Amino acid sequence: DGGITQSPKYLFRKEGQNVTLSCEQNLNHDAMYWYRQDPGQGLRLIYYSQIVNDFQKGDIAEGYSVSREKKESFPLTVTSAQKNPTAFYLCASSTTGQTRVHEQYFGPGTRLTVT
Amino acid sequence: GNSVTQMEGPVTLSEEAFLTINCTYTATGYPSLFWYVQYPGEGLQLLLKATKADDKGSNKGFEATYRKETTSFHLEKGSVQVSDSAVYFCALRDSGGYQKVTFGTGTKLQVIP
Repeated sequence: DGGITQSPKYLFRKEGQNVTLSCEQNLNHDAMYWYRQDPGQGLRLIYYSQIVNDFQKGDIAEGYSVSREKKESFPLTVTSAQKNPTAFYLCASSTTGQTRVHEQYFGPGTRLTVT
Repeated sequence: GNSVTQMEGPVTLSEEAFLTINCTYTATGYPSLFWYVQYPGEGLQLLLKATKADDKGSNKGFEATYRKETTSFHLEKGSVQVSDSAVYFCALRDSGGYQKVTFGTGTKLQVIP
C-alpha cells in the first residue's frame, strides 16, 4: 500500500539535545512538507520541499532544519535552538504542477516531548 | 494573506443528529477548498474537496459546497454516528505557484450514543 510513514510515534528527549524525526513516502510525490500541531492552533508549516535537493522555510522554521537527498525521504531535525519543541509533528506529501489540484496526504505523526 | 475561520468547538451531538460545521475563508484568486478529518493520535485524512465556485464535495455522507459569494465551505452530514467523533479541519490551497495550504484551527466533534 502507498503511504507516508513517520517514526517513531512517540519520542522523548532532554532539553539541549537535537532530535531527528523521520518521514518516508512511497507515493512518488515530488513535494513534501513538515507541520507542527499545537492544541487550538491548527497546523503551522515548518519547511517544505518541491523537489529533491531543494527546500524552503515555512512560517515557523527557526530552530528546525531539514534535508531532501532522496525523493522518498524528508527528515526534520529539531535543534536545541527551538525554544518550545514539545508538539505533534506531521509530515505530508503531494504532487506538484499547475494543471490540477494537489491535495496533501499526511503521515500518522510523531509526538515529541522535551523535558 | 489567506485565512480560514472555523466555528469553535467542541460540538456535541447525539447520534443521528444533523451536523453543520461552519467554515469561512479569505483568499486572493481562486483557491481550492478542503475538509480534513483527524482521529485521536493520528494524522489528517482528506475528507472532501472542491476546486471552484458552486462545486460540491462529498464523501462518506459528508458534503460541503464552495460558496464564493459568501466565501464559505460549511461541512454538513445528515445523520452523524459515534464513529464520526474527530477533529475536522477546513483548509484552502491558493492558486499561486507554490500552492500554500492554510488550515483552520479545527473543530472537535463529539457524538454521543
